[in-house]
Amino acid sequence: NAGVTQTPKFRILKIGQSMTLQCTQDMNHNYMYWYRQDPGMGLKLIYYSVGAGITDKGEVPNGYNVSRSTTEDFPLRLELAAPSQTSVYFCASSPVSAGNTIYFGEGSWLTVV
Amino acid sequence: GDSVTQMEGPVTLSEEAFLTINCTYTATGYPSLFWYVQYPGEGLQLLLKATKADDKGSNKGFEATYRKETTSFHLEKGSVQVSDSAVYFCALSERDSSYKLIFGSGTRLLVRP
Repeated sequence: NAGVTQTPKFRILKIGQSMTLQCTQDMNHNYMYWYRQDPGMGLKLIYYSVGAGITDKGEVPNGYNVSRSTTEDFPLRLELAAPSQTSVYFCASSPVSAGNTIYFGEGSWLTVV
Repeated sequence: GDSVTQMEGPVTLSEEAFLTINCTYTATGYPSLFWYVQYPGEGLQLLLKATKADDKGSNKGFEATYRKETTSFHLEKGSVQVSDSAVYFCALSERDSSYKLIFGSGTRLLVRP
């Protein structure tokens, strides 16, 4: 019953540091997504992937990078962390079909100080 | 581009009251529509969905009908419980190659005993 697993759950970064948020899913979903949720706001799409080796930018990609070398894994890299990247990050996955449910991980709380 | 607009919260109700959370959307095509719920400290869970006009999604006493003529997908429940206190997100899924979700800003519901 793992579903979508994100690590770490909490992290504090200093300005200018880099880190990678890990995301893995065991449902063999082709589609994966990274969203960020700022306090009191909805979710905004950072990057998404429709399959291994294919990634594309969402609404707010600046300051982030992703890779998709396998179906299961979709890590999100933060380069040169800035206070504006303080947020909750959600990884999600979905099977290939319109209207299908997108499954979310439990979130990663990131603070940049 | 496509967008989702939700009523602002918080919405505060007494237990057993009737709930309506308004959601309207703008889309160039025929999106699928969703309601997700986020309980404190948790990720998002799918509450219900509808994939075509006049479809009614329902789950746990919540209902929403896909109204193409008014571009709406309002969430309703006849009798709320304290355990329904959460943030509710309306979202649409574009019928393009990515099926990514576009979220509204969320509506916080507080139910008092």
